[in-house]
Amino acid sequence: NAGVTQTPKFQVLKTGQSMTLQCAQDMNHEYMSWYRQDPGMGLRLIHYSVGAGITDQGEVPNGYNVSRSTTEDFPLRLLSAAPSQTSVYFCASSDFEDREKLFFGSGTQLSVL
Amino acid sequence: GESVGLHLPTLSVQEGDNSIINCAYSNSASDYFIWYKQESGKGPQFIIDIRSNMDKRQGQRVTVLLNKTVKHLSLQIAATQPGDSAVYFCAENRSGTYKYIFGTGTRLKVLA
Repeated sequence: NAGVTQTPKFQVLKTGQSMTLQCAQDMNHEYMSWYRQDPGMGLRLIHYSVGAGITDQGEVPNGYNVSRSTTEDFPLRLLSAAPSQTSVYFCASSDFEDREKLFFGSGTQLSVL
Repeated sequence: GESVGLHLPTLSVQEGDNSIINCAYSNSASDYFIWYKQESGKGPQFIIDIRSNMDKRQGQRVTVLLNKTVKHLSLQIAATQPGDSAVYFCAENRSGTYKYIFGTGTRLKVLA
């Protein structure tokens, strides 16, 4: 099992560009989520999904879109990147039976110039 | 992928000593608490959890203590090793929700 796989590991964007951060898990987890981690702040929830076809907003959803067409994949889209979106992004998943125990990917470090 | 340590509290511990990392949680309705370890360049890794109907739980070399009266959580690491060097942070959750509140973290430095 690879667990939770995130790509790319690093990305630099110019303001206004769009891109998709990829997240895939091979544990058949129903729950998947995206967090951002900024200096001096705890992880903040962007969007989450409790199953294929179901998504919901977290604490800081503005500027991001998600979709969940399969159980395995949960991509995060930045529609028009802004410097305020410079951050480290983590994808996490958990099993329905043990939903509180999150498994995290290794992160994507994004810089928006 | 760790919290940048500009303003991160740091705990320095001699190798072999015990470490105690503290966390104050915010929501009195939270009933589930987790400690994560985050090494440089990696995602957070689950260490141990505790539910609000308990006040202590032990794992391998780690113990979590919960004081609901003062909304305080602590992580004790016995016989701290160099591999324990990382950022540690707590998270709280209310059962039935998918929204966790994460602390900002404490950097643990193990001195040889």
